[in-house]
Amino acid sequence: GAVVSQHPSWVICKSGTSVKIECRSLDFQATTMFWYRQFPKQSLMLMATSNEGSKATYEQGVEKDKFLINHASLTLSTLTVTSAHPEDSSFYICSAKDSRDNSPLHFGNGTRLTVT
Amino acid sequence: GQNIDQPTEMTATEGAIVQINCTYQTSGFNGLFWYQQHAGEAPTFLSYNVLDGLEEKGRFSSFLSRSKGYSYLLLKELQMKDSASYLCAVMDSNYQLIWGAGTKLIIKP
Repeated sequence: GAVVSQHPSWVICKSGTSVKIECRSLDFQATTMFWYRQFPKQSLMLMATSNEGSKATYEQGVEKDKFLINHASLTLSTLTVTSAHPEDSSFYICSAKDSRDNSPLHFGNGTRLTVT
Repeated sequence: GQNIDQPTEMTATEGAIVQINCTYQTSGFNGLFWYQQHAGEAPTFLSYNVLDGLEEKGRFSSFLSRSKGYSYLLLKELQMKDSASYLCAVMDSNYQLIWGAGTKLIIKP
């Protein structure tokens, strides 16, 4: 079945540094990818919608200059958390929609970010 | 506005059957999804309904009634590993997914 690879699965970084998270669709083309954030015991929160070749659409309250999203190809989207702070520590999950109509959304395994 | 409602938590016994309901009000409809999410892990796809009726897949079945804005996920022969959160999501007219808050299912021996 369709697989979405998210890397790294966990990362620890120091406050003030930047972290890049990659999301790849391995066996299908994804014109649209989504980035979510999830706090413990809470539901998914959509951060942004990433469309290949165009600027990402950010949800209200999400700082686009802090969470940089690049979707340069049909199989790769990246999320860069810039100048990370401890409050950015969270579980970040990407998902990708197969370009074919009515196909399900496939999720990566998530990235656990801890900012010290 | 757009809204997805599902119970916050349910408890069931190992070997039994449980039905998790989801009601929705969205601007347009392009399908309803059910996902399973274990604590600390990403969601995994369970089912997709776009037409009315019941879709069966092993121990899991999903039902949809578009006229009522209603779906349920039916889990049979419950196993301890089924303890997880179950997320209902509706794809609206813009092909954006609207997520429910999830139902935490607790399985007791």
